Amino acid sequence: DTAVSQTPKYLVTQMGNDKSIKCEQNLGHDTMYWYKQDSKKFLKIMFSYNNKELIINETVPNRFSPKSPDKAHLNLHINSLELGDSAVYFCASTNNGREQYFGPGTRLTVT
Amino acid sequence: QKEVEQDPGPLSVPEGAIVSLNCTYSNSAFQYFMWYRQYSRKGPELLMYTYSSGNKEDGRFTAQVDKSSKYISLFIRDSQPSDSATYLCAMSAGGSYIPTFGRGTSLIVHP
Repeated sequence: DTAVSQTPKYLVTQMGNDKSIKCEQNLGHDTMYWYKQDSKKFLKIMFSYNNKELIINETVPNRFSPKSPDKAHLNLHINSLELGDSAVYFCASTNNGREQYFGPGTRLTVT
Repeated sequence: QKEVEQDPGPLSVPEGAIVSLNCTYSNSAFQYFMWYRQYSRKGPELLMYTYSSGNKEDGRFTAQVDKSSKYISLFIRDSQPSDSATYLCAMSAGGSYIPTFGRGTSLIVHP
């Protein structure tokens, strides 16, 4: 069974569009994350969320918004996509902040 | 100065070599130190984590933390071509669920 899954795996879209990426974890973890990995492999945290608290990296544009329908899911919605949003987006989950389990990634290309 | 510094490499070694991967950091509040391995086009996976200073061994991998020097290392003994990947260090303060990642070191083990 896949521990952390993401859909879609690849996403190609045009500038200005709105898109969502879905994430699900079956580990029973209470904290989930979204990360952005750029072309230089730098992994940057975007959001940390549990059922009590949302922590937002202040450098993330407000076009990005996390939505959590329940504890096992954390989706990422992006409005008005820009060329600079092209990257690989990873979802992760944890119970203790140290042992994070990552999804396989969503490769977003904005044309 | 970035909070976590890691040489991106690439580091190229022959099969069977001992590999040393390193990170330095500036935040003295960091208490948990993690190493992740990321294969090409995959999500990062946790290799091991340590608390505070000292060594931790797991098979061919040894993690070492020197808090006085703000320096952490991952040693890989008897390196194999299957160890070829990007290795990311990460660290967090006690009680924090927000890790800070290094930019990763690309390791190539050639037969």
